[in-house]
Amino acid sequence: KAGVTQTPRYLIKTRGQQVTLSCSPISGHRSVSWYQQTPGQGLQFLFEYFSETQRNKGNFPGRFSGRQFSNSRSEMNVSTLELGDSALYLCASSLGDRGPYNEQFFGPGTRLTVL
Amino acid sequence: TQLLEQSPQFLSIQEGENLTVYCNSSSVFSSLQWYRQEPGEGPVLLVTVVTGGEVKKLKRLTFQFGDARKDSSLHITAAQPGDTGLYLCAGAKSGGSNYKLTFGKGTLLTVNP
Repeated sequence: KAGVTQTPRYLIKTRGQQVTLSCSPISGHRSVSWYQQTPGQGLQFLFEYFSETQRNKGNFPGRFSGRQFSNSRSEMNVSTLELGDSALYLCASSLGDRGPYNEQFFGPGTRLTVL
Repeated sequence: TQLLEQSPQFLSIQEGENLTVYCNSSSVFSSLQWYRQEPGEGPVLLVTVVTGGEVKKLKRLTFQFGDARKDSSLHITAAQPGDTGLYLCAGAKSGGSNYKLTFGKGTLLTVNP
């Protein structure tokens, strides 16, 4: 079974630009979650999509948005980039319906650098 | 304020030593998961503990969930260089019909040969 894939792996943007990151979950997984990882704040939850609906949301500004398609693939968009948005963005997929036993499978991440 | 506090933040030991890392919170969790992340990769799930007081063993790794389901520990016996990585704990809290996962900042473990 293929793992979670994320594209692109590396991205360099300048302040004020916008960016779209893509995530393809494991086949059969209906939940996709996005996280931002930085050395100072660790792994912070952005949002979760389940069957094309946003099911959970973290405490990030509205510049961060996402969506999920009918094939469970997900995209995350960040508009008006700021220097502080430089981070590793991780996508995780899961079955989404196993309650506290829900295992998240992470992709390798997209390393975003904002100059 | 971090919901899950992990300690120590950094740990550097020699091969063959034992170590324990901790994950503490003032909140009760429905479950607690431990992940390991290696450079350039995403975290990989090691274990999920659900019942207060539960102990799970994975080869040289022993995981314990606190009786009150607010804290957890990971003990590694006879550490090896392959154990090097960032160890993350994550607590699941119910949000109605689904669960939200909150991660600690992690313990960066280096095992020197």
